[in-house]
Amino acid sequence: GENVGLHLPTLSVQEGDNSIINCAYSNSASDYFIWYKQESGKGPQFIIDIRSNMDKRQGQRVTVLLNKTVKHLSLQIAATQPGDSAVYFCAENGESYGKLTFGQGTILTVHP
Amino acid sequence: GAGVSQSPSNKVTEKGKDVELRCDPISGHTALYWYRQRLGQGLEFLIYFQGNSAPDKSGLPSDRFSAERTGESVSTLTIQRTQQEDSAVYLCASSLVSNTDTQYFGPGTRLTVL
Repeated sequence: GENVGLHLPTLSVQEGDNSIINCAYSNSASDYFIWYKQESGKGPQFIIDIRSNMDKRQGQRVTVLLNKTVKHLSLQIAATQPGDSAVYFCAENGESYGKLTFGQGTILTVHP
Repeated sequence: GAGVSQSPSNKVTEKGKDVELRCDPISGHTALYWYRQRLGQGLEFLIYFQGNSAPDKSGLPSDRFSAERTGESVSTLTIQRTQQEDSAVYLCASSLVSNTDTQYFGPGTRLTVL
């Protein structure tokens, strides 16, 4: 993904709402995708992953959807909580063995 | 078990000085990665170590950057003659075997070059 400076996309929701965070990935050869959550001052934390032979995968309160036709990935968070407030990054592995290419990130703010 | 650890957590240095950042991966993880994250931006890949294979250094931005790894353990990232544009958080991650295994990140080292 390309870095676009300080103006990250933002999403503000009320506690209890469902959140959807979107990501457009760049490499059609990518076969592994991951969502990470990053809280202020911490390293990225793994949330959920999906391989290209799937189009949907569910975890606890989270669902990842993959649309390979349009190279789009989304993260759905059910019943969003204030503790979900963070920056969310998608990542793909397509460029080269061993590398992850990260998207620019989306700031999620959950209001109590 | 313990996660990925990095030291120092913060480093302030003067332009032109050399710095060394350390990463201790999760025990048993054979793959280790370094990334750089500038303020408000995503992560940029720097270098990848996998077992005894030659590291993938394709993300290192200049020859001032280098990294070493001792076996399947500690790694150090060295930046020589630091510049102000090197200011960033440097993140280390490790995974069990390869890039299709989940990468677990450390807390990062925040580097500030004055």
